[in-house]
Amino acid sequence: GAVVSQHPSRVICKSGTSVKIECRSLDFQATTMFWYRQFPKQSLMLMATSNEGSKATYEQGVEKDKFLINHASLTLSTLTVTSAHPEDSSFYICSASRQGVGQPQHFGDGTRLSIL
Amino acid sequence: GDSVTQMEGPVTLSEEAFLTINCTYTATGYPSLFWYVQYPGEGLQLLLKATKADDKGSNKGFEATYRKETTSFHLEKGSVQVSDSAVYFCALLNNAGNMLTFGGGTRLMVKP
Repeated sequence: GAVVSQHPSRVICKSGTSVKIECRSLDFQATTMFWYRQFPKQSLMLMATSNEGSKATYEQGVEKDKFLINHASLTLSTLTVTSAHPEDSSFYICSASRQGVGQPQHFGDGTRLSIL
Repeated sequence: GDSVTQMEGPVTLSEEAFLTINCTYTATGYPSLFWYVQYPGEGLQLLLKATKADDKGSNKGFEATYRKETTSFHLEKGSVQVSDSAVYFCALLNNAGNMLTFGGGTRLMVKP
């Protein structure tokens, strides 16, 4: 069964709206979660690494003030797209992994964000 | 840095045909290797994995062997089905376990 739950699966909103996406690990504690962005017919691009109890680590070129990440607990990380604009429309996917060598990342089902 | 290269798609096959999707990597140390599958409009699902050289990962008829000498992790299936149509991603997890590097993805289309 699914071990990572992502919500919502689809969001359509007006330009200027802030949108929050939740990522939950269902049956394990995740000290680290990951946020990816995927453009149509492309691979995943890592946006940031979310660390429980500390600030997220952002990849080069990702705006920290645009994409706010909060890792409130060992099972929940949130990504807030602030003042979203049409160019922020994309497929956002989170992942988490259990602790241990070689543990795979388990992915949520993704959130399709469409900004009008 | 680490990198993963996989064959470009789309790959179009008839049902029951043999499938190979090539994947090669460059990395320092001893990474773990994965294949993920993405169905339309969905997130990624782990298909199989291998954590050390010569390991063979297998699941749902798919197989891939971790070949350190050729730095490869090719995905194979003996007889594909229409339901296998999806995008397949090869991925590498670094030693520290904190960075997953993806290949560009290969779209597979299986026709009845």
